[in-house]
Amino acid sequence: DVKVTQSSRYLVKRTGEKVFLECVQDMDHENMFWYRQDPGLGLRLIYFSYDVKMKEKGDIPEGYSVSREKKERFSLILESASTNQTSMYLCASSFAGTVHSGNTIYFGEGSWLTVV
Amino acid sequence: GENVEQHPSTLSVQEGDSAVIKCTYSDSASNYFPWYKQELGKGPQLIIDIRSNVGEKKDQRIAVTLNKTAKHFSLHITETQPEDSAVYFCAAPSGGSYIPTFGRGTSLIVHP
Repeated sequence: DVKVTQSSRYLVKRTGEKVFLECVQDMDHENMFWYRQDPGLGLRLIYFSYDVKMKEKGDIPEGYSVSREKKERFSLILESASTNQTSMYLCASSFAGTVHSGNTIYFGEGSWLTVV
Repeated sequence: GENVEQHPSTLSVQEGDSAVIKCTYSDSASNYFPWYKQELGKGPQLIIDIRSNVGEKKDQRIAVTLNKTAKHFSLHITETQPEDSAVYFCAAPSGGSYIPTFGRGTSLIVHP
C-alpha cells in the first residue's frame, strides 16, 4: 500500500514562530504536493515539487516555502506563522507524467495547525 | 487554468436513497476526472475515475458519468449507507498539466 506520512497530526504554535510540517512517502513518487484545506474552500495547492530540489508555486504560496532535499521527503515551512494560517494541511504524492495518464494522487492523513 | 465547480455543497439523504454530485469544468482539453472521498479525520482517497474516451464507469454502488460536450461529470451513489457519509471531491487537470484542480467538496450525510 502507498503510504504518505505526515509526522505531526496536531500542532499549536504561536504567532511569529517558524513551523515545519514534514511529509514522507514510501512509493518512490516523483511528484509531491502540499495542499491547504479550509471549510467551504476545498483543497488549495500551496506548492508542488516534481523532482528533488525542484519546486513550483501553487495557487496560494504566500507565507509558505518548501524544501525537497530527498525524493521521499517534502517539507512545508511557515517562516513566521500567523493566525490566518490556522488550517488543515495535506501532503500528497504521485508518479511523474500527466494526470491524464491516470496517475493517482495519494494523500496523507493531514496536519491540523492552530496558530495562536 | 482549469475552473471546477461542484454542487451541491451539502447533501442529506436517507439510507437506501441515491445521491448525485455534479461537477463542471472549463478546460476542454481535460480528459481525466477522478473522484475522492474524505472520511472524518483522514486524507482524501481516490474512489473512482473516468477518462474522456468513455461516458460511464461503474464500481459496485458508485458510478461516474461524463458529458464532454457539456463539460460536466457526476458521481452517483446508489443504495446509500451510513458509511458513505463523507466529503467528496471531484477534480480535473488543466490540459497538459499533471496538477488537478479540485472542486470545493460536497458533504454527504446519510441518515440511518
